[in-house]
Amino acid sequence: GAGVSQSPSNKVTEKGKDVELRCDPISGHTALYWYRQSLGQGLEFLIYFQGNSAPDKSGLPSDRFSAERTGGSVSTLTIQRTQQEDSAVYLCASSLAGHTGELFFGEGSRLTVL
Amino acid sequence: GENVEQHPSTLSVQEGDSAVIKCTYSDSASNYFPWYKQELGKGPQLIIDIRSNVGEKKDQRIAVTLNKTAKHFSLHITETQPEDSAVYFCAAGGAGGTSYGKLTFGQGTILTVHP
Repeated sequence: GAGVSQSPSNKVTEKGKDVELRCDPISGHTALYWYRQSLGQGLEFLIYFQGNSAPDKSGLPSDRFSAERTGGSVSTLTIQRTQQEDSAVYLCASSLAGHTGELFFGEGSRLTVL
Repeated sequence: GENVEQHPSTLSVQEGDSAVIKCTYSDSASNYFPWYKQELGKGPQLIIDIRSNVGEKKDQRIAVTLNKTAKHFSLHITETQPEDSAVYFCAAGGAGGTSYGKLTFGQGTILTVHP
């Protein structure tokens, strides 16, 4: 597709379960970002991948959160032992490179933890 | 770390009026300031950005101004139209040579344009 694709679009899970969210960036974009958007709030940076470099994990809120990017393309964000405060929309974005600025966002994965 | 404050949180205008949204930032090393528009159920979309070596930038009905000394920047939308109704976010980044995609966002402004 032409844009950033995220799945699932909606996920409802029980407290304590693990979840995986997937992001398929725009082809040719070397930079990939994960952000979190809580209800009525701004976006919170989580993690950034650039090519084959070590990811910038400085925004991950706890060690229950992890992400990987395989083959420089698809990325998976994993949240272990989910808590109710993890409920949010998780947005993925890609850009041509880390210094080019414009982020192209997907439509997000809405996570609800019961 | 960087902190971005955005005002107002909601803004209601009549079609054809102008709308202004203001943001302040805390880290004087930030050098990249984008504005994103988010429609319901969609991801944010870049509408305009400015870098710290420029004081003002305009694109048709949209303009952004930057005051580095005061550490604030503003979005101006002229001749507003109902389709401008959305949530607008300001952001700051680029400090210390970090990626321009690693941004600190404001809390957002819900803009409503009444026909």
